[in-house]
Amino acid sequence: DVKVTQSSRYLVKRTGEKVFLECVQDMDHENMFWYRQDPGLGLRLIYFSYDVKMKEKGDIPEGYSVSREKKERFSLILESASTNQTSMYLCASGSHEQYFGPGTRLTVT
Amino acid sequence: GQQVMQIPQYQHVQEGEDFTTYCNSSTTLSNIQWYKQRPGGHPVFLIQLVKSGEVKKQKRLTFQFGEAKKNSSLHITATQTTDVGTYFCAVPFGDYKLSFGAGTTVTVRA
Repeated sequence: DVKVTQSSRYLVKRTGEKVFLECVQDMDHENMFWYRQDPGLGLRLIYFSYDVKMKEKGDIPEGYSVSREKKERFSLILESASTNQTSMYLCASGSHEQYFGPGTRLTVT
Repeated sequence: GQQVMQIPQYQHVQEGEDFTTYCNSSTTLSNIQWYKQRPGGHPVFLIQLVKSGEVKKQKRLTFQFGEAKKNSSLHITATQTTDVGTYFCAVPFGDYKLSFGAGTTVTVRA
């Protein structure tokens, strides 16, 4: 079974803090994704990585950056967290169908 | 990403009844995927449809791809409490990326 894990299920941060969300997959997938999920908006793609050190902006990259130093690990970085980044963050990997991690519910106060 | 409209946004169903959720695109699709997210859970892949007019069944779930490959439907018969959750359709754009619909959230009255 594909396993995608995320570093935290719940996270509370203050405005202006730097936030790191980690994602690890164990299926040797080249493609990894970061989404945010908000009620009524579905899943919106933040960033996509198709190989180590390779990344591509998604629909809503503003305020975020990513890092992919190893194939199995894809990190999402909020350089200076803001309250409008309070959301559920989902990591996924896969070539056609996507396999999702459990999600990190981030609250920025 | 590519826009895909999913209706209805909410579906309240009496246990044992049938319902259908729809996914519509303005452009022709190469394929369409469906995912289910249980309350408090994460999206889980259900199925992919590729061919025009394709129909696939998973127990009480029937998935259909339109003849013009611009729309898809998910029909659930004899709804059970285990069907509770949000159902998303997803369409490809670019290389390996998916654009998700807003989802249909299903609640079941026992």
